[in-house]
Amino acid sequence: GNSVTQMEGPVTLSEEAFLTINCTYTATGYPSLFWYVQYPGEGLQLLLKATKADDKGSNKGFEATYRKETTSFHLEKGSVQVSDSAVYFCALSSNTGKLIFGQGTTLQVKP
Amino acid sequence: DAGVIQSPRHEVTEMGQEVTLRCKPISGHDYLFWYRQTMMRGLELLIYFNNNVPIDDSGMPEDRFSAKMPNASFSTLKIQPSEPRDSAVYFCASSLDETQYFGPGTRLLVL
Repeated sequence: GNSVTQMEGPVTLSEEAFLTINCTYTATGYPSLFWYVQYPGEGLQLLLKATKADDKGSNKGFEATYRKETTSFHLEKGSVQVSDSAVYFCALSSNTGKLIFGQGTTLQVKP
Repeated sequence: DAGVIQSPRHEVTEMGQEVTLRCKPISGHDYLFWYRQTMMRGLELLIYFNNNVPIDDSGMPEDRFSAKMPNASFSTLKIQPSEPRDSAVYFCASSLDETQYFGPGTRLLVL
């Protein structure tokens, strides 16, 4: 069945460091891939998405490229800020209308 | 657009009481999802609807939980009787295509 695996957290970085959060998936067909972000005390928000192989999603300095050959959708940012501290969820679409979420990765950025 | 609206935002109740959580999806969206989030189990999909019809309720933990969607603009999640292990944040989300939009959540504490 479809599944998403994210790297274990928490990830702790200093401000302005480079960020990578790994996400790999197992799926039949050609799902869309998503990154959602959850700030403390809030609901999940869409950060970026990609709908087909080799597409790059980007938003707020974050990027992720849909890699079909490696079944990956790693999240990257060149220079993180304290305000990026949050939980990040990778997800893929299913053909039943629902999203399959990874377990979430907590990012803590220290000044 | 007001986004997904959930009420109440916080609920404190005693074990054995009935709890009703409410959700108003984004106008025009035809999918509605109920999730539960805890530190121990992470984000869990409880049930989802398409065009007001329940599609998959396999995530509902037990018979104490029930959900309804009487029309396209309103859904409820009811817990009767409530137990301390039901304490969690409950999210409602809606979608038109693959992208889900989450509400701010209801923080439930059962004493």
